[in-house]
Amino acid sequence: QVQLVQSGAEVKKPGASVKVSCKASGYTFTRYGINWVRQAPGKGLEWMGWISAYNGNKNYAQKLQDRVTMTTDTSTSTAYMELRSLRSDDTAVYYCARGDNPYIVAMIDFWGQGTPVTVSS
Amino acid sequence: QLVLTQSPSASASLGASVNLTCTLSSGHSSYAIAWHQQQPEKGPRYLMKFNSDGSHNKGDGIPDRFSGSSSGAERYLTISSLQSEDEADYYCQTWGTGFVLFGGGTKLTVL
Repeated sequence: QVQLVQSGAEVKKPGASVKVSCKASGYTFTRYGINWVRQAPGKGLEWMGWISAYNGNKNYAQKLQDRVTMTTDTSTSTAYMELRSLRSDDTAVYYCARGDNPYIVAMIDFWGQGTPVTVSS
Repeated sequence: QLVLTQSPSASASLGASVNLTCTLSSGHSSYAIAWHQQQPEKGPRYLMKFNSDGSHNKGDGIPDRFSGSSSGAERYLTISSLQSEDEADYYCQTWGTGFVLFGGGTKLTVL
C-alpha cells in the first residue's frame, strides 16, 4: 500500500534551518510529484511548494521561495524539504503529500503523517 | 484572483446528512477541486476529486456515504448517515499552473 513516512519532530532556534524527509513506498516514485504543506497550530493548510519526482522541476509558494528548497533522491524514493532562517511563525506541522501528476502541480491524493517543527529560543 | 471559500463551521445530527460547500471565486468556476478530511489530532486524508463536468473519483477505502456534486462555481461534499468519526475539518483544494490553493476549511460537528 502507498505510504509516505516522514522524519521525526524537530525543535530549532530562530535563525536555524530544518530539513524534513519523506520516504515513499508502495508506488513508483517517479510517476508522481511531492507537495509540501504546513499547518500552524489551530490554523488551516498552507501550500509551500511542489517538486516533480520525475524530473526535479519545482514550484514554490511566493512567500517562501527565498527560504525553502525541495529536493528528491530517486534512488531511495525520498523527498526532502529544507526551510532556512526559521522564525517563530514557522512553528507548524509539516506534511508531504503526493501529487497525482509527475509533470505539473496537480491534485493531492495521499498524505504523509506530518512532522512537527517547533521554533523557539 | 482565485479564492476558495468555505463556511467555518457546520453541524448535523448522528445518522443525518450534511452538505459542505466550497465556492470558487468569480471567473474560476471551471476549476476541479479535491476534498480532504482531517480528523482531530490526525493528518489530512484525501477523500475525492471533483471535476467541473460532474465527474469524480474517490480515494481508496472512502465509504459510499461520501459523495460530491457541483452547481456553477459551488462544489459540494455530501456526507450521509453521519457517524461520530465524521466529526472533522474538511478542506477543499484546487490547483493551477504552478500553485495549489486550499480553502479555509469547515469544522463539522456531529451532534
